[in-house]
Amino acid sequence: KNEVEQSPQNLTAQEGEFITINCSYSVGISALHWLQQHPGGGIVSLFMLSSGKKKHGRLIATINIQEKHSSLHITASHPRDSAVYICAVPSSGGGADGLTFGKGTHLIIQP
Amino acid sequence: DTEVTQTPKHLVMGMTNKKSLKCEQHMGHRAMYWYKQKAKKPPELMFVYSYEKLSINESVPSRFSPECPNSSLLNLHLHALQPEDSALYLCASSQVGGRGEKLFFGSGTQLSVL
Repeated sequence: KNEVEQSPQNLTAQEGEFITINCSYSVGISALHWLQQHPGGGIVSLFMLSSGKKKHGRLIATINIQEKHSSLHITASHPRDSAVYICAVPSSGGGADGLTFGKGTHLIIQP
Repeated sequence: DTEVTQTPKHLVMGMTNKKSLKCEQHMGHRAMYWYKQKAKKPPELMFVYSYEKLSINESVPSRFSPECPNSSLLNLHLHALQPEDSALYLCASSQVGGRGEKLFFGSGTQLSVL
C-alpha cells in the first residue's frame, strides 16, 4: 500500500504570504491529486498531475516522479484559501480502488 | 453537469433505526465510491462500484450495506449502527475507475448516531 506523508500538518500565515505544502509517497504512481476541503465537508479536486507543473489561478502544483515528491504552492494567499489541503495517490491495485489520502494540511490565512 | 449530489446533508439516527444515504451523478461515470471520514482525519475508502458491480469492500461491517441500482445512483443502507459510526460519509465518482482518474466528490452526509 502506498504511504503518503504531508507536511506541515498545520500552517498559519498572514494574508499575502507565499504558501508551500509538501507531499511525499512511497510507491510509484500514475498521477497525484491535490484536493481542498473546507469546513462542512465537500472535497474539491484542485489538480491531478503526473509530471511537471500545473497552474490554476494562484495555485501551482509540481511533481517530481523520480523523487516521489509533490508540492502545492499558493501565491498571494487570502483568508478564503483557509481550508484543509490533501494530497492523494491511487491506492494499490489495478482497478477502481479509489485514493489513498495524506493526513492533510490545515491552512489558516489571517487577514 | 459536473456535480455529485448527496442527500441528506445531515442525519441523526438511533442505534435501532434503519436509514439510507443517497448519491447521484449525471456525468456518465461508471465508478462510484463511498468514503468515511472522521473529524480531523483523512477519508477512508469503504466501497467501490464499477459498472454497477461491487468491486471493493474494504472489510466494512455488515451494518453498512451498499447498493447501486443504476449507473447514476449509489445508496448506502444503514442498520443497527453504533455511536462510533458517526462521521462524514462522502460519495465520489470517476469515469471508469482506472488508476489515476480524477474523482468528483459530493458534499457529504454528516451522520450522528445516538
